[in-house]
Order: sequence, then C-alpha cells, then structure tokens
Amino acid sequence: EDQVTQSPEALRLQEGESSSLNCSYTVSGLRGLFWYRQDPGKGPEFLFTLYSAGEEKEKERLKATLTKKESFLHITAPKPEDSATYLCAVHLANKFYFGSGTKLNVKP
Amino acid sequence: EAGVAQSPRYKIIEKRQSVAFWCNPISGHATLYWYQQILGQGPKLLIQFQNNGVVDDSQLPKDRFSAERLKGVDSTLKIQPAKLEDSAVYLCATERVTETQYFGPGTRLLVL
Repeated sequence: EDQVTQSPEALRLQEGESSSLNCSYTVSGLRGLFWYRQDPGKGPEFLFTLYSAGEEKEKERLKATLTKKESFLHITAPKPEDSATYLCAVHLANKFYFGSGTKLNVKP
Repeated sequence: EAGVAQSPRYKIIEKRQSVAFWCNPISGHATLYWYQQILGQGPKLLIQFQNNGVVDDSQLPKDRFSAERLKGVDSTLKIQPAKLEDSAVYLCATERVTETQYFGPGTRLLVL
C-alpha cells in the first residue's frame, strides 16, 4: 500500500494560471512532510518542511499547507521556470517515503 | 558550501556485470542516504547511514546490493550482479540535524 499519493500526475498551466498540487498520506505518527522540486537530470531540491496541521510556508510563488492527512502546494501566477516535477515526502519513524511526483508544465 | 558530489554521472553495463557508485557528502553532514529512482517514480530509500553505522537497510536487496561508509564520510554503493530492473537513477542525499536532505545529481545506470 502506497504511503504517499500525489495528484495530479501531470499538470499543464498557462503562465499566470494559479493551481494547487496535492499530497495525501496514509501513515500515522508523521514527523514531518517535505516538498522538493526536481528538474530533469538533477537531484531533488529542497523547498519546504511542514511539521503540524495548520502550518504554512511560503517561498516566492509557492505556498505549502498541511492538514492532518494531506498537504497542498499552491502555485500563484506560475512562470515557465516553475516547470519541474514536484515531489512530496513524509518522515515516519526514521524512514522517508516519497510520492511519485506531479510533473508541472507552465506554458508562456 | 559545496554540494553533494556523485560519480560517475552515467554508467552503461550489461546484465550480470558489477558496478559501483560513489558519494561525497556535504562537509559535516553525519547522515547519508542512498535512494533508487526508477523513471516516473519517486525516490525509494535503499539504505541510511548515521556516521559510518547503518540505521536502516530494510529495503536494500542484500543478495546483490551492498553499501559502505568508511570513516563516516564518503560512501559507495555496489551492485553485483546487475539485473535489467536495476536500471534507474541512484541518488545520494545527506543531512546534518534538521531533517532537510540535500541531494546530489545522481548516477544514471542503464543495464542492457
């Protein structure tokens, strides 16, 4: 059973068209939820860590939120350079479980 | 501050051959992870080291995969013998104390 599920698998947006990516998890005892950005041919790049329900973090056009069973990555007025795969990961009992990612394509 | 270094960046081998990957962590990062990322999937943890001790290797296929971290710094991951399904990107990540993992660029392995 997958511990972490991300949706949608792929998302195409026009430049300036805001949207949200979802990360839901089935595990209990969450110690932290992480968002990463991965560009083609590169390793994941850290974006945010969230620890408790209700927590929010922002960075430029990205905002991450956390509830008891899911997290959202909101992208406001995206630009083509925001195109990448966005991965979420949960930290549980010294183990990290990654989702399969959402591949975002922002067209100019 | 230098990032996580990995080599080689690309490797093509035939099945049943052996291969080794190398990772040099960020200075001062005590925790080191090896992940396997198959195309279209998220990274899957293979092994976690704390200094030179193994914390978790429950998902490492020990009949063919081995890893070591001598002196708590550099680490190597070896596959012997390789299978077709081992074709993937092998990522190394390191962490100090904040649970934030910093990833290297990965080694892309193709097994023919």
